[in-house]
Amino acid sequence: KQEVTQIPAALSVPEGENLVLNCSFTDSAIYNLQWFRQDPGKGLTSLLLIQSSQREQTSGRLNASLDKSSGRSTLYIAASQPGDSATYLCAVRPINTGTASKLTFGTGTRLQVTL
Amino acid sequence: SQTIHQWPATLVQPVGSPLSLECTVEGTSNPNLYWYRQAAGRGLQLLFYSVGIGQISSEVPQNLSASRPQDRQFILSSKKLLLSDSGFYLCAWSSGRLNYGYTFGSGTRLTVV
Repeated sequence: KQEVTQIPAALSVPEGENLVLNCSFTDSAIYNLQWFRQDPGKGLTSLLLIQSSQREQTSGRLNASLDKSSGRSTLYIAASQPGDSATYLCAVRPINTGTASKLTFGTGTRLQVTL
Repeated sequence: SQTIHQWPATLVQPVGSPLSLECTVEGTSNPNLYWYRQAAGRGLQLLFYSVGIGQISSEVPQNLSASRPQDRQFILSSKKLLLSDSGFYLCAWSSGRLNYGYTFGSGTRLTVV
């Protein structure tokens, strides 16, 4: 059974710092990995999608890497801002769940960027 | 471009009352559709998914049901709500093409009183 873990569970950093969020998964048989952001009381916003054949994806100040063989992904946020404060979730799309291909979510990292 | 709509945004319902949450997707055809629930301070739990009209799969036994009367419409229902049905409900869609990601709706906050 695929399990996805995110470390740390919570993180507080001062504005301007670069930071790394970690995601690990137990089964490397995945189609892709997706990073989401969730603001309190809101839905999930997709940040980056990395296919299993890719090593990294970038969008603005965000960079996500994927090492499928070791079951790890990192989300790098450069020059953090208070507006980055949110919960960050990673999710993998496993190969062995049929046509519906249901996502398996991580436990989330709650990020707070302080002034 | 594809968009997903979910309503209502918030709902307060008494115990024993019925429930109907609706989700629609625009700009795509034959999407995979999903209902998730997020309890306070907890992770996302997949409730139902559908790969086509009238095709519903349930992940966990519960007081809820789902229906897909049209290709891009997904409905979450209950005949009689329980206190334990309170939570944040999220609809999502994805393509049947497995290299696609998921797109989530804005969610419905349901409080059963």
